[in-house]
Parts: sequence; structure tokens; C-alpha cells
Amino acid sequence: EPEVTQTPSHQVTQMGQEVILRCVPISNHLYFYWYRQILGQKVEFLVSFYNNEISEKSEIFDDQFSVERPDGSNFTLKIRSTKLEDSAMYFCASEQFFGPGTRLTVL
Amino acid sequence: AQSVTQPDIHITVSEGASLELRCNYSYGATPYLFWYVQSPGQGLQLLLKYFSGDTLVQGIKGFEAEFKRSQSSFNLRKPSVHWSDAAEYFCAVGARGGSNYKLTFGKGTLLTVNP
Repeated sequence: EPEVTQTPSHQVTQMGQEVILRCVPISNHLYFYWYRQILGQKVEFLVSFYNNEISEKSEIFDDQFSVERPDGSNFTLKIRSTKLEDSAMYFCASEQFFGPGTRLTVL
Repeated sequence: AQSVTQPDIHITVSEGASLELRCNYSYGATPYLFWYVQSPGQGLQLLLKYFSGDTLVQGIKGFEAEFKRSQSSFNLRKPSVHWSDAAEYFCAVGARGGSNYKLTFGKGTLLTVNP
């Protein structure tokens, strides 16, 4: 069964640094998503991506965030200048299937 | 905007007992409905989903859920719980049309299984 993969599994960064979280979605899917889960809280939608562009984004997804699918397979989430409050688990989803997540820790 | 309520934050059952986890949703039409399970430090595994048709949906690991439109509910059930079922369970709703998999999640129910 195809699965969604994410790298790295854990990323530690200093406040103000840029991070890129990577995902390989399921190849024949059309919609891709990023969600985040702050420790102890519920999973929140960040952004959806369809036909190589953002189809919808939440109010959380401000100018510090960007997504792209540069090579037709990888799907990335970039945070330009990380803040302490960006510390969370970030999940990539390929339609209804979720990846294992990347735990981002901002120090 | 859609929303999901999982009224039980924490449920404890004995191994072998039956289980029902409650989920109520708010949405203007018939939504897409999902249940996911998350073990500590792990990702979200899809247990089952309802799109249309038979309102009793079978999933993996012996779980089932029933969509009740009149009650705006989609409760998850299992007839006999195993110790390995201990995890956090999330109900989610997706809007029909457009990006069907843009999901709104409930806060989750933590399941503890006693031996």
C-alpha cells in the first residue's frame, strides 16, 4: 500500500532560522495538505495544494510560510523565520492519508 | 464553518470490553467523516471514512462507525478492545466539493485499556 513519507522526523532549529520540511505524497493523488499539531492540542489545517498552487490556506498560514512542489514528487513546507510558537508536529497529507510527521522544535 | 466535538477527553476500558467513542459534527450538509488513530509520537492512521451510501462503515482493526444524520453523529465502535488499541482517537469532518480532504479535527479522545 502506498504511503506518505516525511523528512526529517525531528528538526531542531534556532528562532529566526529558516526550515524546510519535506514530504513525498502518494503519486496519483491530486490534493496535498499540511497540518500542524501543537503539543496537547488538536490537529489544525494549514494549507491545501492542488494543480501546483495553493487552493486554500488558514489564518495560521501567514507570509512566513510557503509551500511548493518543485519536482513533481516532493512537497515542501518552508518557514522563513521560525518563532518559538512554531514548535509543533507538522503533518503532510496526501488526500486522506497522513505522513508520520516532522517534530519541529524551535529554541 | 464545520466543527467537530468529541465530548470525552479520556476513556478507560478493560481489555475485552466493548468501546464506543462519540463524535458530533456541525456542517450545513452531509459531510465527509473520518476517524483517525494516533499512538504516542506517531502519525495519524486512517481507521475508516464515510462518504455516502451505507451509514454503517467498517474500518481496519475491527472498528466500525455509524453515521446518524438526525443526531449529527459519527460514533466509533469496537466490540472487544485489545490492549494495543490504547491510543488517541480523532474524529474529523471534510466539506463536500472542492478540497474534500481539508479536514477539521476534534480535540481527540484518549483511550486507556486496562488489563
